[in-house]
Amino acid sequence: DTGVSQDPRHKITKRGQNVTFRCDPISEHNRLYWYRQTLGQGPEFLTYFQNEAQLEKSRLLSDRFSAERPKGSFSTLEIQRTEQGDSAMYLCASQGREAEAFFGQGTRLTVV
Amino acid sequence: AQSVTQPDIHITVSEGASLELRCNYSYGATPYLFWYVQSPGQGLQLLLKYFSGDTLVQGIKGFEAEFKRSQSSFNLRKPSVHWSDAAEYFCAVGEGAQKLVFGQGTRLTINP
Repeated sequence: DTGVSQDPRHKITKRGQNVTFRCDPISEHNRLYWYRQTLGQGPEFLTYFQNEAQLEKSRLLSDRFSAERPKGSFSTLEIQRTEQGDSAMYLCASQGREAEAFFGQGTRLTVV
Repeated sequence: AQSVTQPDIHITVSEGASLELRCNYSYGATPYLFWYVQSPGQGLQLLLKYFSGDTLVQGIKGFEAEFKRSQSSFNLRKPSVHWSDAAEYFCAVGEGAQKLVFGQGTRLTINP
């Protein structure tokens, strides 16, 4: 257990539906990252928060994706109008003063 | 842009044999380098990291890695593998407290 928790662990949704994932980072960590991992690939960066500020977004993060981190604590990642290509593992990581990132167990999204 | 190459997609070794997983990176400055391990359906666990100093770093589970600047490499080694080491291994590069860029991963299979 890394101390980073993600909910839900698995989500099956129909194409066109909206989904929301939650990440609870290690409490003293001010940086939070979202990554996406498709089968057979390494994780790819989606977006990054320092406290409540969203400082960087990847071009992978289309307009259908939105992330928030209210009050610099937990974070949510929402996907609107899901598509089959959104099926992936969504990983959250938190980072403190040290450069190492601690990952949650991920949310596996399947769009049918 | 930063990039990481893991040339071996899949490696099979016998239990008790030695292991070396290759990682090459492309980065302009001195990188922060990481090796993570991922079991099926799980998040990523940090095995070891290199920031500066001694180029041979020790990690958990008996793993070590050597940073070779001249070869832009950070290969992971273990003198004797155990069946429980079967997993996916990812090399990653980062710039301090920034996002990580991952390689494609190497899947390790252990023969009994």
